[in-house]
Amino acid sequence: DGGITQSPKYLFRKEGQNVTLSCEQNLNHDAMYWYRQDPGQGLRLIYYSQIVNDFQKGDIAEGYSVSREKKESFPLTVTSAQKNPTAFYLCASRNPALEFTGELFFGEGSRLTVL
Amino acid sequence: AQSVAQPEDQVNVAEGNPLTVKCTYSVSGNPYLFWYVQYPNRGLQFLLKYITGDNLVKGSYGFEAEFNKSQTSFHLKKPSALVSDSALYFCAVRDTNAGKSTFGDGTTLTVKP
Repeated sequence: DGGITQSPKYLFRKEGQNVTLSCEQNLNHDAMYWYRQDPGQGLRLIYYSQIVNDFQKGDIAEGYSVSREKKESFPLTVTSAQKNPTAFYLCASRNPALEFTGELFFGEGSRLTVL
Repeated sequence: AQSVAQPEDQVNVAEGNPLTVKCTYSVSGNPYLFWYVQYPNRGLQFLLKYITGDNLVKGSYGFEAEFNKSQTSFHLKKPSALVSDSALYFCAVRDTNAGKSTFGDGTTLTVKP
């Protein structure tokens, strides 16, 4: 079945370490997104990419980095510069054929805990 | 800038009763509006959307939403709630000129037997 796969589902990190969250999709979507979810704060956009080899900062990009070398992959690196990285991270994609009218398809999320 | 407000953190209803989860929005152009549902420790699932046309939109699992341009609202409704509807619901807006969505803070719906 088509969908978005995020891994790992749970991740523990020591302070000062970088960590990379994987996001792979087989929906043939051009646009991909990373959101951060904290309790009571909804979803906040970290980075997004409309096409391979191109990406833009979202609302809370500081301390994060991304790459988009392949259409199906959009990994997120949480660097040691991120002050409060403990959160639930969600990857999403969107059908570009529907332009901006398309809904987002989400992965199951990755929960990062900094010890 | 675009924004979304979900004024209620929590909505409680009895099973079989109608439910409403409220959402208001602000955009500079014409809005594209979406509702998503999230179960614990899971990703979000799409329920329904308003793009244009009929103000009453029907979606998955018996949910519907009414677009009201004058009140800039897009409330989610269901005529008869089920216990299994208990979840976290998010409203989202996208400006017709924007490639990114803005989400509300979410409303926790609890349906009691």
